[in-house]
Amino acid sequence: GENVEQHPSTLSVQEGDSAVIKCTYSDSASNYFPWYKQELGKRPQLIIDIRSNVGEKKDQRIAVTLNKTAKHFSLHITETQPEDSAVYFCAASRDRRKLIFGQGTELSVKP
Amino acid sequence: EAQVTQNPRYLITVTGKKLTVTCSQNMNHEYMSWYRQDPGLGLRQIYYSMNVEVTDKGDVPEGYKVSRKEKRNFPLILESPSPNQTSLYFCASSLFGGLSSYNEQFFGPGTRLTVL
Repeated sequence: GENVEQHPSTLSVQEGDSAVIKCTYSDSASNYFPWYKQELGKRPQLIIDIRSNVGEKKDQRIAVTLNKTAKHFSLHITETQPEDSAVYFCAASRDRRKLIFGQGTELSVKP
Repeated sequence: EAQVTQNPRYLITVTGKKLTVTCSQNMNHEYMSWYRQDPGLGLRQIYYSMNVEVTDKGDVPEGYKVSRKEKRNFPLILESPSPNQTSLYFCASSLFGGLSSYNEQFFGPGTRLTVL
């Protein structure tokens, strides 16, 4: 069935460094790829998303890249700050009905 | 304030005792969905609804039921809960602009369920 693999499961960086989280999807018909951030004890919130007709999208310190041929997409966070510490989830969808999530990456930004 | 609400937020129950977790949104969203979150497994979709009286199974529907009698409410029903349904549950909603149109899913605060 449809599957999204996310790596790494945990990531620790120093404040100011960059962080990269990678996801691979199995369904070649997937065309929508959102990223959610979940702070401790809170609900997931959308931080950025990309459609399959776009290769890269940026929003201030975060960016997402998509490689449709290889079926993988990545989240890039530059100049990390302690408030970036959270669990990040990637997801993929081929239509509006189902969203397949990755396993999550716990990012820790050390001051 | 636009929001998705869930009740209860925390629940401890025993095996076999029927329970309902309510979900309500005030944003007039057509689409609603239930997820469970387990360590190392991410969020997995249980059921979703495209509109009133339209529901369908997600990836892990076994042991759950849903109904969508009103646009704003989408309750999750566990008729005979078992310990493997101990989890953190999230309801989400979004606008629906057609199968090729994607809108942000807004999540509720979560319900932590423990089945003994």
